[in-house]
Amino acid sequence: EVQLLESGGGLVQPGGSLRLSCAGSGFTFRNYAMNWVRQAPGKGLEWVSSISGSGGSTYYADSVAGRFTVSRDDSSDTLHLQMDILRTEDTAIYYCVAGSFAFWGQGTLVTV
Amino acid sequence: QAVVTQEPSVTVSPGGTVTFTCDSSTGAVTTDHSPYWFQQKPGQAPKALLYDTLNKHSWTPARFSGSLLGGRAALTLSGAQPEDEAEYYCLLSYSGVRPWVFGGGTKLTVL
Repeated sequence: EVQLLESGGGLVQPGGSLRLSCAGSGFTFRNYAMNWVRQAPGKGLEWVSSISGSGGSTYYADSVAGRFTVSRDDSSDTLHLQMDILRTEDTAIYYCVAGSFAFWGQGTLVTV
Repeated sequence: QAVVTQEPSVTVSPGGTVTFTCDSSTGAVTTDHSPYWFQQKPGQAPKALLYDTLNKHSWTPARFSGSLLGGRAALTLSGAQPEDEAEYYCLLSYSGVRPWVFGGGTKLTVL
């Protein structure tokens, strides 16, 4: 069974930083592209970032480019999202999503 | 960046059929956009329903189907059940450095 467990969310001041992690299990982590998707309170889904299976390619939404950095550690089956220069509009539930958006974690709440 | 548009809300009677659509500001939606569809119920994480226009996951109920319709991606629900009441989102793929864009979602009421 595929499982994705996000951690690292919390309350942070504007301008601050936070690092989210996502532990994957039940699948061959290194073979899958991974994604972050967020959802602001009462709003729709917003794609945030993706990283290829090799980690060689990364992609970011305009709203976070230059402030967020996605990375992966295939030795520990973990995805990370380093979030810097946080803004109030970054307040959202952040979901870790595996592969072609088939498998979703339960999300972690970030409040700025 | 492209804008993906969905109907804000739709209502269907139990047992009825409803179609959700997904429109791209860049022009007609094609198989190159690899349309995805997701269902989200209140307080839950989204759940994947379809990928690459019409392909179902192993857990996707047979009453859901996908297609391209008049330059849009479409999700059809045939034989709506009360448990299908949820928000439905589409996701389109674009070439370039901003490869994914979600639609704003459609709230389905089964009434």
